[in-house]
Amino acid sequence: GESVGLHLPTLSVQEGDNSIINCAYSNSASDYFIWYKQESGKGPQFIIDIRSNMDKRQGQRVTVLLNKTVKHLSLQIAATQPGDSAVYFCAENSGGYQKVTFGIGTKLQVIP
Amino acid sequence: NAGVTQTPKFRVLKTGQSMTLLCAQDMNHEYMYWYRQDPGMGLRLIHYSVGEGTTAKGEVPDGYNVSRLKKQNFLLGLESAAPSQTSVYFCASRASHYLPYEQYFGPGTRLTVT
Repeated sequence: GESVGLHLPTLSVQEGDNSIINCAYSNSASDYFIWYKQESGKGPQFIIDIRSNMDKRQGQRVTVLLNKTVKHLSLQIAATQPGDSAVYFCAENSGGYQKVTFGIGTKLQVIP
Repeated sequence: NAGVTQTPKFRVLKTGQSMTLLCAQDMNHEYMYWYRQDPGMGLRLIHYSVGEGTTAKGEVPDGYNVSRLKKQNFLLGLESAAPSQTSVYFCASRASHYLPYEQYFGPGTRLTVT
């Protein structure tokens, strides 16, 4: 993720609309890319991952897109619900079994 | 299953004081981790453990010590707290056969050092 100082970038979407959260990663050698959700006052929760040899992966209401050419990762949430309000951050796993690098995150606000 | 629990949830320390954060997991996971989360930065790994009796340094280990005397517990110690250690601390665990990022996180401990 990009550094934006002390303030998280915020995305506000209307309930029922689709949300797209973006992330730029740094290591072209990373073999997995991951999205986490962190609700206020809670720890991060794994949402979905994608292997570096894929460009799209779908889960339940979520889709992750990977563009290795520009080192870009996105998370699409379909029919956004109030319960989706949280901070979402990407991470990359670059080999070595402990090396997971976490991004800063984007705050998603769902407007009822 | 309680999952991963952390004690305490909040703590305020004065500079120079010491304290221990406790992490407990009931999933029989081999690997455990301590992270800190600061505004404008991603989670950073402090220390980790790949099994009972073992510990290793992560990305930002200075000023912290850890112990893993029992498989289910991972303790993070601050011997002489500094304002720079004001942060939210997360513990995580995973099974050895999981991928490295398939970690279960605790709810966090918010520490303020004045």
